[in-house]
Amino acid sequence: AQKITQTQPGMFVQEKEAVTLDCTYDTSDPSYGLFWYKQPSSGEMIFLIYQGSYDQQNATEGRYSLNFQKARKSANLVISASQLGDSAMYFCAMREVNYGGSQGNLIFGKGTKLSVKP
Amino acid sequence: EAQVTQNPRYLITVTGKKLTVTCSQNMNHEYMSWYRQDPGLGLRQIYYSMNVEVTDKGDVPEGYKVSRKEKRNFPLILESPSPNQTSLYFCASSLDGEFYGYTFGSGTRLTVV
Repeated sequence: AQKITQTQPGMFVQEKEAVTLDCTYDTSDPSYGLFWYKQPSSGEMIFLIYQGSYDQQNATEGRYSLNFQKARKSANLVISASQLGDSAMYFCAMREVNYGGSQGNLIFGKGTKLSVKP
Repeated sequence: EAQVTQNPRYLITVTGKKLTVTCSQNMNHEYMSWYRQDPGLGLRQIYYSMNVEVTDKGDVPEGYKVSRKEKRNFPLILESPSPNQTSLYFCASSLDGEFYGYTFGSGTRLTVV
């Protein structure tokens, strides 16, 4: 079963509007971290935001916020006031702290391609 | 500037010719990892290292080797590359591999013909 699911292969948003990218996850580990990364067409992976499983408040970083709903196992990324430079692939990832296999392994979703229209 | 440096950025090679992709970080991170990214499959971990001389297999280790003789360096070795190893490779590092974020290198696009 997929551990990280991103159900939106592609999305469009009008410049200056807000957009939500969906991410659901599956884990039985009580301690885990959730990450969002941006991958522009140039290929590099850019860290955007982090949410720990025990964090009481939703994480925010500038125009990025993470809508963390623990009971629903959901960690959606909200980008406010979209800019043309936000056009990129966005990956949700999870790291299970007590996972018996590869410790520290970041498990990635398949990504959402966001296109910002002028 | 804190960064993870991978070299080369692009590489075209022939089947069976040994190659090494270098990775170096200047943040004194203990945890380093290699990923490959393929269309439709996302990023998958190849090998990781929790500290000097401590390495272990990730999800797709077949055909790869790594070493961690120094804290800052974590090279990826393909002893006998094959076309199915054509991919985009990323090196990443983290302070401890548990609670801190990952910093990724710029990626190495490898083509094996």
